[in-house]
Amino acid sequence: SAVISQKPSRDICQRGTSLTIQCQVDSQVTMMFWYRQQPGQSLTLIATANQGSEATYESGFVIDKFPISRPNLTFSTLTVSNMSPEDSSIYLCSAAVSTDTQYFGPGTRLTVL
Amino acid sequence: QKEVEQDPGPLSVPEGAIVSLNCTYSNSAFQYFMWYRQYSRKGPELLMYTYSSGNKEDGRFTAQVDKSSKYISLFIRDSQPSDSATYLCAMSAEGGSEKLVFGKGMKLTVNP
Repeated sequence: SAVISQKPSRDICQRGTSLTIQCQVDSQVTMMFWYRQQPGQSLTLIATANQGSEATYESGFVIDKFPISRPNLTFSTLTVSNMSPEDSSIYLCSAAVSTDTQYFGPGTRLTVL
Repeated sequence: QKEVEQDPGPLSVPEGAIVSLNCTYSNSAFQYFMWYRQYSRKGPELLMYTYSSGNKEDGRFTAQVDKSSKYISLFIRDSQPSDSATYLCAMSAEGGSEKLVFGKGMKLTVNP
């Protein structure tokens, strides 16, 4: 397994601002991912954070809204840009520590007013 | 039809009961099947994962996969109040190196 931490754990932000969420893994991993968890909805993949290249985004998510960085094999950031109340959600990062599955961080609970 | 269907419940059982949680899926390419447990205001915690069909047991937990029916189950024996959480099924075609597709999660309460 792996220990995955996220910062901040929660935040309340104003409409139109941006928030950057950090994800740190305690070991080097090849694959890191960012998911969104909205109330009553399935966990949904936003993008795969590729080390050394641009992130790969899922349908419905764009780089301008959710820019992602992956500077090394243990760290990634997700920015939620130009926020609106619809962006209020829990944002989770995960890492493929083994080839079989993924482990998740504790999540960042975002409220946009 | 959603790729993964999971009854969101909620489900409430007495302590000591056997709990059965289920998911169905439509994508026959899925080969890796996982169950996560998520306590309130926490991240999902991996409980069990299974590759292809069959059973896997870990203590009070048993995971079953029936690929012919596209149906997976998680059984919890001798359920405890500490098992109260939301249980999420997830699956993928190529394991952890790609996108996991999740069910909505089933909220379980075990009453003392």
